[in-house]
Amino acid sequence: DVKVTQSSRYLVKRTGEKVFLECVQDMDHENMFWYRQDPGLGLRLIYFSYDVKMKEKGDIPEGYSVSREKKERFSLILESASTNQTSMYLCASNPGTVNSPLHFGNGTRLTVT
Amino acid sequence: AQSVTQPDIHITVSEGASLELRCNYSYGATPYLFWYVQSPGQGLQLLLKYFSGDTLVQGIKGFEAEFKRSQSSFNLRKPSVHWSDAAEYFCAVGPTGGFKTIFGAGTRLFVKA
Repeated sequence: DVKVTQSSRYLVKRTGEKVFLECVQDMDHENMFWYRQDPGLGLRLIYFSYDVKMKEKGDIPEGYSVSREKKERFSLILESASTNQTSMYLCASNPGTVNSPLHFGNGTRLTVT
Repeated sequence: AQSVTQPDIHITVSEGASLELRCNYSYGATPYLFWYVQSPGQGLQLLLKYFSGDTLVQGIKGFEAEFKRSQSSFNLRKPSVHWSDAAEYFCAVGPTGGFKTIFGAGTRLFVKA
């Protein structure tokens, strides 16, 4: 069974801090994704990666960057955290075939104070 | 533009009663459609998917969904709801542009005894 692991369930950070959210998948999936989940807005795609060192912007990339140095690991970086980035962050992966569903981690709830 | 609409923000159903969650999509080509469920504090789990063929698809946990092209709908149903079904349900279409899955805003299901 695919496992997507997010390193932290809860994080509390201060405004202006640099924040790293880590995600690891164990099924050799080609694609990895970072979503942000907010009430009433569903899931919005921040960034995705279809290969090592390859990345594409999603719908809301502003204020975020990503890193994929190894196939199994995809990091989301908040360069200078702001209070409007307080949210639930979900990492997902899939094998890269056109109709493959997403496999999600349990999420990281980030609070920026 | 591609989009997914879940008209009901929340629904309350008595345990043992039937359930139908609505989903309408806008998509230019033949859609790939998904329903995911998110239990409290968890990531999203795939319930079922539709790609082609029989328009009534069966999923896990006793759920089914029916694809109706003429109505651009993909409604989720369950004949008898259990208290453990209380969760948030997301309809999704994709991938669009090769990678992106578009999610609806979600419907939160409450189950009363």
